[in-house]
This record gives sequence, C-alpha cells and structure tokens, in this order.
Amino acid sequence: GAVVSQHPSRVICKSGTSVKIECRSLDFQATTMFWYRQFPKQSLMLMATSNEGSKATYEQGVEKDKFLINHASLTLSTLTVTSAHPEDSSFYICSARDLSANVLTFGAGSRLTVL
Amino acid sequence: GIQVEQSPPDLILQEGANSTLRCNFSDSVNNLQWFHQNPWGQLINLFYIPSGTKQNGRLSATTVATERYSLLYISSSQTTDSGVYFCAGNTGGFKTIFGAGTRLFVKA
Repeated sequence: GAVVSQHPSRVICKSGTSVKIECRSLDFQATTMFWYRQFPKQSLMLMATSNEGSKATYEQGVEKDKFLINHASLTLSTLTVTSAHPEDSSFYICSARDLSANVLTFGAGSRLTVL
Repeated sequence: GIQVEQSPPDLILQEGANSTLRCNFSDSVNNLQWFHQNPWGQLINLFYIPSGTKQNGRLSATTVATERYSLLYISSSQTTDSGVYFCAGNTGGFKTIFGAGTRLFVKA
C-alpha cells in the first residue's frame, strides 16, 4: 500500500531558529500533499495544501511567512517553521492521496518542541 | 465548510465488548475514511468507505451517503484497540476535514 515517510519524528529547537520537516511519498507520486497540525487531545487542523510546482494554499489564520511550504517534486514536500516560538510547539502531520486507491495516507508525524 | 460530528467523544470498554462509533456530516462528502490514531500519533487508515459496508477482521464500517453518516463497528474489543478514532471526508475539493474524534480506552 501507499507509504508516506515523514522526518524528523521529533525535534527540539531554540526560540528564533527555523526547523524543516520533510514529507515523502515513497511508492506513488503526489501532486498534492497536505500539512496538518494537532494539539494535545484535539483533532487534526488542516494548515495548508501543498501543490507541486506552485504555491501552497494556506487555510485561514495560518501565517504563510511563518510556515513555509515547498513542493519541489512529485514525491517531496517540506514544511519550514521559521523563527520558531514556544507556541509553535505541536505535532505536525503530512499526508498525501494515492490516486490509484483514492486513499489519504499519513506520515508518522513530527513532534516539535520549541524551548 | 462541512462540519463533521463524531460520537461519542469518549468511550471506555471492557475487553471483549462491542461498540459502535458514529460520524455525521453536514453536507455530502466524498472519499470518507476512518482512521485510528495510536498512542504514538500515527494515523492508520482503517477504511475507505464512501458508501456501503466493508469488513476487516473485527472491524466493519457502513456509510449511508444519502443520509450523511457513517458507522464504525468494533467487535470483541482488545486493549490494542485503544486510541482515537477519526472519520474524515471532503466535499469534492482536495481538502479533507476531520471530526473531533472518539477517544477509546479498552480495559483489560
């Protein structure tokens, strides 16, 4: 079945630094990937839709300059949290849809802690 | 946008018990899926079920698209079934919206 690889799984950084999270579709091509954020004991909140070769589409209230998304190839999307602050600490999860099966598949998630 | 309502929000079961989780949508949805999020945060696809009924071992799901709801059945629950169950769908666009989840704890 479709596999989405996401790393790092855990990252701790200092305030003011930037952190990059990678999301790869391993056995299928994904023109579109999705980035979600999840706070403890809450549901997944869609942050943005990553489009291969074009700009990402951000959800209302998500700062595009804070959360930079790049989708440079059909198998890779990256999320960069810029100038991170403690309130950016969260669980970030990427996903992609394997169109052959029409199933949305998720990466294992990245837990970001900003000190 | 569509609203996704899941019930119950929390559920505690004795091992071996059966349960039914429900998902209601405010509008017609495409690509309805049920997911299980394990304690490590990994989301596992359980069913892709835009309509009809599917079964996989002790789990089964039914979606009645015309009435905008889906049900997930767990039979003979085990402690490893604990976690959060989400339903999710979209309305024709690419964005998939999640319900708030049902948090299940199965006691040994």
